[in-house]
Parts: sequence; C-alpha cells; structure tokens
Amino acid sequence: EVQLVESGGGLVQPGGSLRLSCAASGFTFSSYEMNWVRQAPGKGLEWVSYISSSGSTIYYADSVKGRFTISRDNAKNSLYLQMNSLRAEDTAVYYCAGGYSYVRFDYWGQGTLVTVSS
Amino acid sequence: EIVLTQSPGTLSLSPGERATLSCRASQSVSSSYLAWYQQKPGQAPRLLIYGASSRATGIPDRFSGSGSGTDFTLTISRLEPEDFAVYYCQQYGSSLPPYTFGQGTKLEIK
Repeated sequence: EVQLVESGGGLVQPGGSLRLSCAASGFTFSSYEMNWVRQAPGKGLEWVSYISSSGSTIYYADSVKGRFTISRDNAKNSLYLQMNSLRAEDTAVYYCAGGYSYVRFDYWGQGTLVTVSS
Repeated sequence: EIVLTQSPGTLSLSPGERATLSCRASQSVSSSYLAWYQQKPGQAPRLLIYGASSRATGIPDRFSGSGSGTDFTLTISRLEPEDFAVYYCQQYGSSLPPYTFGQGTKLEIK
C-alpha cells in the first residue's frame, strides 16, 4: 500500500523557518515525481513546488520562490521542504503528493499544518 | 499562467441525481494533462480522473470526465451520499508555473 506521511509542521513566528518531511513507503520512491501542495484554511489547493524523480529538475510557485527549497533523499525514501522567511500567508496544510507521471498527483499524504503567527 | 475557472461554485443536488461540473481554462490545455480530484472535509484530495477522461484506480464508473481544449466536464451519473465533497480540476502545462488548480466546486446535499 502506498503511504506518504508528512511531519514537521507547527507554529512559527513570522520570519522564522521550518522543515517539512514526507516519508514514503509501499512503492519505488526513486521512480516517482514529487510535489508539495498547500491549502490555506477554508481555501482551495495551491501547488508549491515540484522535484523530478532524480532531483535534477525543480520548480517553485512564484509565491515561495527564493524562500522555500525542495529536496529529496531517494536512499531514505523521503521528500523535504525547507521553508525560510515565513509569512502569515504561508499558513496552510501542506501535502506531499506525487506519482509515476509528472502531469498529475496520484498519491497524497494526510497533510501537516503550518501556522505562521506571532 | 493558465487559469482554471470552475463552475458552479456550489452545486446543490439530491442523491440519485446527475451532477455536471465544469472546468474552463484561460488557454488551451492538452487533454492528457487535465485531472480531477475529490476532497472530503478533513481529508487529503483523491485523484478521480486523469487525461481528462481516464478513471484512476478504484474509482467507480459513475464518475466520468470529458472535454478538450479549454472546456472540460466531470459528470457523476447517479449521486451517492459519499460523493458530496469539493471537486478540483488541475492542469499541467509547459509554461511556468507548471501546475494550476481550479478554485473548486462544492457539491452539497439538497
């Protein structure tokens, strides 16, 4: 069974940093394209960042470019999101999501809540 | 950036009825790159349809997708109680950002 489990969310002050992790199991993680998608409270889905299966191709949404860094460790079956210079508008549930094809998100984790507030 | 506009914002129907949800793109989208997701309260989204019309694994055949170019449709032929949720369309494109979602359609029980 495919499982994606996020961790690392919490309360952080504006300007602070947080590192999210996503542990994958039940599939060949190194073959999957992975993403972070977020959802602000009561709002819709917003794509945040993409990383190819090898890690060689990375994209970011304009709203996080220069502040967030996506990475992966295929040996550890893990995906990461380093979030710096956090703002109130970054408050959201962050999902890791991915699949064998880069055009869609076949599998999703349960999400981890990040709250940016003083 | 390709903008996806979903309509209606909210759809009120009864179990057993047919639901038709629309997703319109600001420019042409390859059918291969259009997907639909279902999200229930407190849960992660779930892939329903990919390639505009292919059902994902385990999705009942009452769910179907159609469309091309800038107009896409998700149809639920006979609503079951578990189908009341929020539905999102999503596209992948060669220009940045590569992924965008529609704002969602809430399907509620009438």
